[in-house]
Formats: sequence, structure tokens, C-alpha cells
Amino acid sequence: NAGVTQTPKFQVLKTGQSMTLQCAQDMNHNSMYWYRQDPGMGLRLIYYSASEGTTDKGEVPNGYNVSRLNKREFSLRLESAAPSQTSVYFCASSEGAAGLSYEQYFGPGTRLTVT
Amino acid sequence: KNEVEQSPQNLTAQEGEFITINCSYSVGISALHWLQQHPGGGIVSLFMLSSGKKKHGRLIATINIQEKHSSLHITASHPRDSAVYICAVRSLGADGLTFGKGTHLIIQP
Repeated sequence: NAGVTQTPKFQVLKTGQSMTLQCAQDMNHNSMYWYRQDPGMGLRLIYYSASEGTTDKGEVPNGYNVSRLNKREFSLRLESAAPSQTSVYFCASSEGAAGLSYEQYFGPGTRLTVT
Repeated sequence: KNEVEQSPQNLTAQEGEFITINCSYSVGISALHWLQQHPGGGIVSLFMLSSGKKKHGRLIATINIQEKHSSLHITASHPRDSAVYICAVRSLGADGLTFGKGTHLIIQP
């Protein structure tokens, strides 16, 4: 099992460019998450998907869109990148079920720089 | 919004020492997670707990729900334990996690 995979690992964008970060999991998990990690701050939830076909905003959703393409894949799109979106982005997944807590498995991260 | 505070922020210790990292949070939770992030950046889940105590090898995690406090202990610390340890909580009624800022641990030989 590969677990949670993310592409790309590194990306440099110019302000105003768009891009999509890809995430896939092979553990048949229901829930998937996108977090960002910035120096001096804890990880923060951008969007999550509790099950295939549903998505919800997290703490910092502005400037991002997501798509839960199928049970395996959850992508994060930056429509018009801004320097404030320079960060390390982590995708995670968990078995997930309403009201229950499960361990989360994290991808290796994508380091994004917006100039 | 749940506030998650970790202490200390930085900790340097000698190999073999007993290590304690603390985490406190402000509102009710359904679960608390301890995560480890190595210098390469990857994040690994160490524990998920909602009550009592869990042990895995030299690592022990405890939680006191009434006091809204958890501790992560490392016994017989080793340089390979050097990493950032992150506390995260799932608040009641929430789906995602709220994270502390992490404790940067360095174990010197």
C-alpha cells in the first residue's frame, strides 16, 4: 500500500497563476482533508470531505476550491495564486464516520512557493 | 474554536532522559492525537486517545478529559526521537483537527 500520495512535491508559481494539487489514498478511507502548514503556526484545515460526493470548508478556505473526484482522490485548486498561499500543503485521510474519531494518515506534503 | 497549547515549544535533552511534552485545549473534544514530524517533513500519527493512557514502545500518552490536558512521555530518549511533536484535537461536532504549534525536541548523544 502506498498510503496517501501527493503530487507535485514542489511547485513554484507566479502570482495569479492557477494550479491543482493532487491527493490519492489507497486505504478505502471515507474522509479526506487538506491542511496547510506555515512557520510558527500549527497546521490549519482548508477543506475536508467526509465522504465521496461531499466537501466542506475548514478554517482557512478562502482562495481554494476542492473536488472529491471519487473515493480515492481529493484535489485542491488554487485559481489565482497569491504570495499568502506560500505554504506546505498536506493531504490526509481517515476511515471517518459521523461522530466517530479515527487516526489520520498524512501524505508527504507539497511545498508551494508563490512569487 | 478550540485553542490548543503545547509546552514547551523547544526542548533539548541528553540521550536517556525522560521526556514530557504537554498539551492543553479549551473546549470539549471527541479525540486527541499525538503526531510526529521529522525534519524531512513527513507526519506520522503516534496515538489517538479519548481517555486514559496508551503505550507504544518507549512512548506513553495520557489524557485527563476533566482537566482538558494530555501529556506525551518518552522514556530512555534517543537521538532518533529528535523531531517536532504535534498535539491535535477533534472538537465535539467537528470533522477536522485543530493543531498545536508543536514541540521541537532535540536529543543529544
